[in-house]
Amino acid sequence: DADVTQTPRNRITKTGKRIMLECSQTKGHDRMYWYRQDPGLGLRLIYYSFDVKDINKGEISDGYSVSRQAQAKFSLSLESAIPNQTALYFCATSWGGERTDTQYFGPGTRLTVL
Amino acid sequence: DAKTTQPPSMDCAEGRAANLPCNHSTISGNEYVYWYRQIHSQGPQYIIHGLKNNETNEMASLIITEDRKSSTLILPHATLRDTAVYYCIVKENFGNEKLTFGTGTRLTIIP
Repeated sequence: DADVTQTPRNRITKTGKRIMLECSQTKGHDRMYWYRQDPGLGLRLIYYSFDVKDINKGEISDGYSVSRQAQAKFSLSLESAIPNQTALYFCATSWGGERTDTQYFGPGTRLTVL
Repeated sequence: DAKTTQPPSMDCAEGRAANLPCNHSTISGNEYVYWYRQIHSQGPQYIIHGLKNNETNEMASLIITEDRKSSTLILPHATLRDTAVYYCIVKENFGNEKLTFGTGTRLTIIP
């Protein structure tokens, strides 16, 4: 079974709709992240959370919000989706207790906004 | 500004060692070198990381120059499944938690 799961895996929606992407992990990690990837480009950080009560903006947080419902769950919301939010979205986790910053990624959610 | 420079693409024959270079001339003393790879559109996969000593694990070896301004990821016996985009990233452990992915090197393993 996958340690980091994302739902849905694919989603097509229309401009103006509210969308929620969900991420769950069974690794017991305290840190979780949301990234987006546009074609031909690297990943860019949207939001990250070091624990349930901690939320931090990444480099491209405008138009997005997040919720850390539990240590194992981190949701990304697009309040009013727009076409330029069409991208591949990845959730990742890491353990803050390690002396490294190894992040483990989910399989991704492909979002298309028409 | 990009902290790392990698060639956009490389080819390697199946069974041979793949050597992927990375320049990070502005690396600071407390920054580590991390390597991740992304196979097609899957989630990136951690490969290896190091500070100043060479490192080896079951996937690869990491060679960091003495001045730490460059490094090389070595896949000792490349297989077709190693075809992927490889990202070299420098970052501190703790504090700034952002992994900054550049455009990486697209490695193609040739049968």
